[in-house]
Amino acid sequence: AQSVTQLDSQVPVFEEAPVELRCNYSSSVSVYLFWYVQYPNQGLQLLLKYLSGSTLVKGINGFEAEFNKSQTSFHLRKPSVHISDTAEYFCAVILNRDDKIIFGKGTRLHILP
Amino acid sequence: NAGVTQTPKFQVLKTGQSMTLQCAQDMNHNSMYWYRQDPGMGLRLIYYSASEGTTDKGEVPNGYNVSRLNKREFSLRLESAAPSQTSVYFCASRGGTGYNIQYFGAGTRLSVL
Repeated sequence: AQSVTQLDSQVPVFEEAPVELRCNYSSSVSVYLFWYVQYPNQGLQLLLKYLSGSTLVKGINGFEAEFNKSQTSFHLRKPSVHISDTAEYFCAVILNRDDKIIFGKGTRLHILP
Repeated sequence: NAGVTQTPKFQVLKTGQSMTLQCAQDMNHNSMYWYRQDPGMGLRLIYYSASEGTTDKGEVPNGYNVSRLNKREFSLRLESAAPSQTSVYFCASRGGTGYNIQYFGAGTRLSVL
């Protein structure tokens, strides 16, 4: 069965420092991978996605993620964070033909001044 | 440009009361979903509907019922609310040309006393 593991429940980082949010998945078949962001008191919105092709995908607000099939990872990175990046970030996976998207438990990004 | 609309935004119930959470999407999507979000638990799927006229249980269906009224609307009903159902509920839909992307409503904050 497919699953998604976000290794850190909370990540504190200083403003303008780089950040990496880790995500690993398990699946025996090809998958589509996503990162969603949830700002305080809002719903989730898509940050970026990997469907096929280049393993480095770029999303909104300067975020990018790299798909690594051998390590079954899809880590999210940003070279310089801003206070406005304070949010919860969810990694998600879906099988090519499955109708259910599986979410990780989320990582709260705290930006320190 | 409404996307996924949930009503109400906030609700307080007493134990044993019933209520229906409404969800509508205007993107002509086939699939619709109900999730609950609790601290440290991420998003958990309650029920989903892959197409009009079909519904299936998700990870945590007990205590809930759903109705896919038509292609646009997917409602979630609590027949006899319990304090354990205090949560934030999100509706989502998926389909169309970017069919693997899920779009979320803004959420309903429910408190059961």
